[in-house]
Amino acid sequence: AQKITQTQPGMFVQEKEAVTLDCTYDTSDPSYGLFWYKQPSSGEMIFLIYQGSYDQQNATEGRYSLNFQKARKSANLVISASQLGDSAMYFCAMREEYNFNKFYFGSGTKLNVKP
Amino acid sequence: DTEVTQTPKHLVMGMTNKKSLKCEQHMGHRAMYWYKQKAKKPPELMFVYSYEKLSINESVPSRFSPECPNSSLLNLHLHALQPEDSALYLCASSQLTGDGTDTQYFGPGTRLTVL
Repeated sequence: AQKITQTQPGMFVQEKEAVTLDCTYDTSDPSYGLFWYKQPSSGEMIFLIYQGSYDQQNATEGRYSLNFQKARKSANLVISASQLGDSAMYFCAMREEYNFNKFYFGSGTKLNVKP
Repeated sequence: DTEVTQTPKHLVMGMTNKKSLKCEQHMGHRAMYWYKQKAKKPPELMFVYSYEKLSINESVPSRFSPECPNSSLLNLHLHALQPEDSALYLCASSQLTGDGTDTQYFGPGTRLTVL
């Protein structure tokens, strides 16, 4: 089974609007971390936000927030007030405690912000 | 400072050439990683070094040879590559907390073209 599933290959959003990128995960490890990365066309993977499995509150970092629903095993990224510079590929990733050397990536979502 | 540097940014090589990719971090991280990424795909893990020792080799062909001279440096030696090895090669590092919280920070990547 896929460890990380991103079901939206591509998405469009109007500038200044909010957008949600979906991510579901599969693990039986009680301790894990969920991560979102942004990859512009230049290639660099930029760390955006982290959510721990035991965290009670949803993580937020500036315009990024993570909608963590543990029972549903989902960790959606919400970008508020989209900017043209947000156009990029977004990857959801997971690390499990018992297999902490490995990072599982989803297939990615290509976000296009329209002016 | 969460900077990982990689050189060169671009590399074109013939199938008989020998070249090396270099990665450096000064965050005191104890784990370093090499990934290969094809266009529009997520990164694929190649090697993991933990405390300067190779801890994971994801069945990578021997024409790729990693080296970790010290805790800040990671090299990837390339020899007799094939055109299908053309890709973006990403280096990453992490603190090695030993649990799901360990965040990976990526370098800008080296775009490799094998002719």
